[in-house]
Amino acid sequence: DAGVIQSPRHEVTEMGQEVTLRCKPISGHDYLFWYRQTMMRGLELLIYFNNNVPIDDSGMPEDRFSAKMPNASFSNLKIQPSEPRDSAVYFCASSYGTGGYNEQFFGPGTRLTVL
Amino acid sequence: AQTVTQSQPEMSVQEAETVTLSCTYDTSESDYYLFWYKQPPSRQMILVIRQEAYKQQNATENRFSVNFQKAAKSFSLKISDSQLGDAAMYFCAYREVSNFGNEKLTFGTGTRLTIIP
Repeated sequence: DAGVIQSPRHEVTEMGQEVTLRCKPISGHDYLFWYRQTMMRGLELLIYFNNNVPIDDSGMPEDRFSAKMPNASFSNLKIQPSEPRDSAVYFCASSYGTGGYNEQFFGPGTRLTVL
Repeated sequence: AQTVTQSQPEMSVQEAETVTLSCTYDTSESDYYLFWYKQPPSRQMILVIRQEAYKQQNATENRFSVNFQKAAKSFSLKISDSQLGDAAMYFCAYREVSNFGNEKLTFGTGTRLTIIP
């Protein structure tokens, strides 16, 4: 398996633009997570899905952020409009099953810079 | 809410020596999972070792082992025979045991480990 795939790896955009980050989880995994990593706040969970359904979006910072999972093979995270404080590394992770260790496998991350 | 604290922002160790990274957490649950993740400069998050709270035996994975002290809510990582490839940020993480889908990880702030040749 290729692991969790994220695109793009790097994104530079200007304030006010829409940004879309993409994630393809590991085939067969039923959980998908979006994390954000910043120097100030560390790694924080934004939202996670189970079987394509959002379970907990309490970490989504504000209405400018939205995430969808239209099918088991794809999720996207959109920021509209983007702001400089959204600059961070965004990770997608996936796992299988409920209970147990259920290791979360992380993608390589997308480094977002908003100018 | 559960919190995870890593009190050492940076650590360094001589190559081939042993180093211990500290982690404490706060929870009212009796069963849960604890993890150590490694993040090298490539940014990729890699699981190093994991422990379930009800298991008293400390987990070991090759040169990596943990010292799990449940009463003290402490979960330290010991790296033996440190190698240059161990240089990375290390994150401690907590997750509840749940059959209801609460799969979210809570991370500490990380410890940057430098290996001195």
